[in-house]
Amino acid sequence: DIQLTQSPSTLPASLGERVTISCRASQSISNSLNWYQQKPDGTVKRLIYSTSTLESGVPSRFSGSGSGTDYSLSISSLESEDFAMYYCLQYATYPWTFGGGTKLELK
Amino acid sequence: EVQLVESGGGLVQPGRSLKLSCAASGFTFSNYYMAWVRQAPKKGLEWVATISTSGSRTYYPDSVKGRFTISRDNAKSSLYLQMNSLKSEDTATYYCARRHYGSPFGYWGQGVMVTVSS
Repeated sequence: DIQLTQSPSTLPASLGERVTISCRASQSISNSLNWYQQKPDGTVKRLIYSTSTLESGVPSRFSGSGSGTDYSLSISSLESEDFAMYYCLQYATYPWTFGGGTKLELK
Repeated sequence: EVQLVESGGGLVQPGRSLKLSCAASGFTFSNYYMAWVRQAPKKGLEWVATISTSGSRTYYPDSVKGRFTISRDNAKSSLYLQMNSLKSEDTATYYCARRHYGSPFGYWGQGVMVTVSS
């Protein structure tokens, strides 16, 4: 199975700050990586698919990049609604696997 | 508007069965792969099952293979998850999700809670 290691697990940050979340795969996943945001009420939303394609309606301050085994999600200027949990997902190979999650919290 | 509404959750004893349903609307259900994803309390997300458009192909991780069965009724725009031989570690919120632009889990339901306990 492909393991996804997300870092950091917790990310304290301030409004307006730029942040980056990393997702490292145990083997190459050929850009088959998505990013998800989960709010405290459990609502899950896809932000980015295929490494770098922004989902319709998602603010342009979100961006994704990466290749091979290393991928990242960046938020250019944090707004209050961005404080949430973030997960990466690889779908290159079954079983599909999620990263352990990153809690983005207000510093 | 795409809507996915799960139902059928609840409290069930270990070893028993439960069937979850997901009612889909706002799109042509038969055109899309569908899936279930779960989240144990205070834990991360875990993929549970995927089904092809016709239902002829299904995929599971080892943690549920042989115990869970995903199915669909395209005429009713409904997705199902039959869960047998339930264990305490199956306690979780179960989400129904739809593929979008060829990539998994583009749309999610609000989730339904399943508690396995005696």
